[in-house]
Amino acid sequence: DQQVKQNSPSLSVQEGRISILNCDYTNSMFDYFLWYKKYPAEGPTFLISISSIKDKNEDGRFTVFLNKSAKHLSLHIVPSQPGDSAVYFCAGPDEKLTFGTGTRLTIIP
Amino acid sequence: KAGVTQTPRYLIKTRGQQVTLSCSPISGHRSVSWYQQTPGQGLQFLFEYFSETQRNKGNFPGRFSGRQFSNSRSEMNVSTLELGDSALYLCASRTGTGGYGYTFGSGTRLTVV
Repeated sequence: DQQVKQNSPSLSVQEGRISILNCDYTNSMFDYFLWYKKYPAEGPTFLISISSIKDKNEDGRFTVFLNKSAKHLSLHIVPSQPGDSAVYFCAGPDEKLTFGTGTRLTIIP
Repeated sequence: KAGVTQTPRYLIKTRGQQVTLSCSPISGHRSVSWYQQTPGQGLQFLFEYFSETQRNKGNFPGRFSGRQFSNSRSEMNVSTLELGDSALYLCASRTGTGGYGYTFGSGTRLTVV
């Protein structure tokens, strides 16, 4: 049972444009969501989070939106930069951190 | 503050062998979790240890086991290796409870031939 789903395995975006990464979840008990960024041969690093009492959280170029009724969250990166090319995972915590399958973002110069 | 250290970084083993991976958490972190990353499967939770006790376990066969020592260092063992066990194994530590504050190591790349 995949409680956190990222249906787009890959996404290509031109440099300077907006990148939108999507994530759906099934577990209504999740009260906090996190996004991690992962480069090859490195561990994931925490990017941004959002509490379920909010519908938006912003940190610089990164904004996460949460739609609880749709059980959907999205990560917006604007403007996209070449260094943003990585795999992005969304995660929901219950007793452990449950990750989605990831979306590989490629920023085209 | 030193990060999460995983050793070795790379490992090649033969089918049927066993392997032990090591993880040293951030100082003061009492929880250590292990994840397996394979292409297309994302990060799959293996197990979590807290204060030397297994607190949570994922859906992996009994060939996968772990333990935690009194200094919070953790080891993961895989016996009777199969080709499908080839993956990046990641360790993450956190202070204790809650789904926040995970810090990951760089992982051990295991290749089974």
